[in-house]
Amino acid sequence: DQQVKQNSPSLSVQEGRISILNCDYTNSMFDYFLWYKKYPAEGPTFLISISSIKDKNEDGRFTVFLNKSAKHLSLHIVPSQPGDSAVYFCAASPSNTGNQFYFGTGTSLTVIP
Amino acid sequence: GAVVSQHPSRVICKSGTSVKIECRSLDFQATTMFWYRQFPKQSLMLMATSNEGSKATYEQGVEKDKFLINHASLTLSTLTVTSAHPEDSSFYICSAKPSGRKLFFGSGTQLSVL
Repeated sequence: DQQVKQNSPSLSVQEGRISILNCDYTNSMFDYFLWYKKYPAEGPTFLISISSIKDKNEDGRFTVFLNKSAKHLSLHIVPSQPGDSAVYFCAASPSNTGNQFYFGTGTSLTVIP
Repeated sequence: GAVVSQHPSRVICKSGTSVKIECRSLDFQATTMFWYRQFPKQSLMLMATSNEGSKATYEQGVEKDKFLINHASLTLSTLTVTSAHPEDSSFYICSAKPSGRKLFFGSGTQLSVL
């Protein structure tokens, strides 16, 4: 049972434009959400996170939006750069345990120069 | 952010041999580490949770006798793939969580079993 879903396996965006990556979840116990970026043959690197007490968190070119009622979060990258081309995973962690993380299947982003 | 070091980055072995992968937290102590596996173009699959000083907790469907996990200290966890077979070829990634709720990953190990 996939509790975290990324329904778009791939996304192509022109350099300089906005990239929007989406993630949906089903478990209402999730209260902390993270985005990771992964290059081939490398481990994922942490990008940005958001707690359920917020609906937006921004860090430079990266902004994560959380819509709790819709159980939906999105990662906005603006402006997109060719170096952003990678696979992006969203992850969620439930409030009842700090050690469980549920990952989506990833979205492969290609930023076209 | 916290640094998790994983070695080796790549290993090729013959079928039937065992391979050990090390995961170290370099700038924090980790009572818990996690081992993931990723098949090409697929998501990260949690294999087991490694607990310092106690037995690892394995996810359903993961053979604990094949994937031996040892968490001997607060900064080191090892995954040993015993009697490796070609179907064990995969990308293995460890992770750890310092205080707080962010998970940090090692650089991964590409295992190829011939």
